[in-house]
Amino acid sequence: GQQVMQIPQYQHVQEGEDFTTYCNSSTTLSNIQWYKQRPGGHPVFLIQLVKSGEVKKQKRLTFQFGEAKKNSSLHITATQTTDVGTYFCAGDGTGTASKLTFGTGTRLQVTL
Amino acid sequence: DTAVSQTPKYLVTQMGNDKSIKCEQNLGHDTMYWYKQDSKKFLKIMFSYNNKELIINETVPNRFSPKSPDKAHLNLHINSLELGDSAVYFCASSQQREAFFGQGTRLTVV
Repeated sequence: GQQVMQIPQYQHVQEGEDFTTYCNSSTTLSNIQWYKQRPGGHPVFLIQLVKSGEVKKQKRLTFQFGEAKKNSSLHITATQTTDVGTYFCAGDGTGTASKLTFGTGTRLQVTL
Repeated sequence: DTAVSQTPKYLVTQMGNDKSIKCEQNLGHDTMYWYKQDSKKFLKIMFSYNNKELIINETVPNRFSPKSPDKAHLNLHINSLELGDSAVYFCASSQQREAFFGQGTRLTVV
């Protein structure tokens, strides 16, 4: 079955440093979504990428979808303590959102 | 108004018991899911329903039985609970795009 891996599993940065998490799927995806889960909370949708090579920005967050539509990345510039949480990519191989396979997640810790 | 609500939020029960978790969404979405999040934070899909019909059953033990009385509700019944069932269970819904998650049900089997 489809597997979606993320690296690193965990990263601890000081506030102001940059952070990147990488997502790799074993199969080609119709689209990729990114979610953030705060400690004790539930996953919250951040963005969806659909096109090969697509790049989208949300303030300090930059999302990329690979040319082969099998990988993606999330980069945070100048992290803040409010960025703390676990970031998940989620792949949809069907295009109908009937099965979102979540990546293994990257837990980000930010300290002052 | 909560978009996806699940009850209860916490559930502590003994091994061998049967329990249910309820989920309701008021977003008008056609697709609903159950996900299990273990202690390592892995989010694993268990079931996916589209308009009350089962679409995906991800090799979940048959002790777990989802029921969708209508497209706004997807309940999860678990028989003969085991220690390994302890986890956070999330209900979610979507309409061919992003998934909206409920607050989660933390199940502890003792």
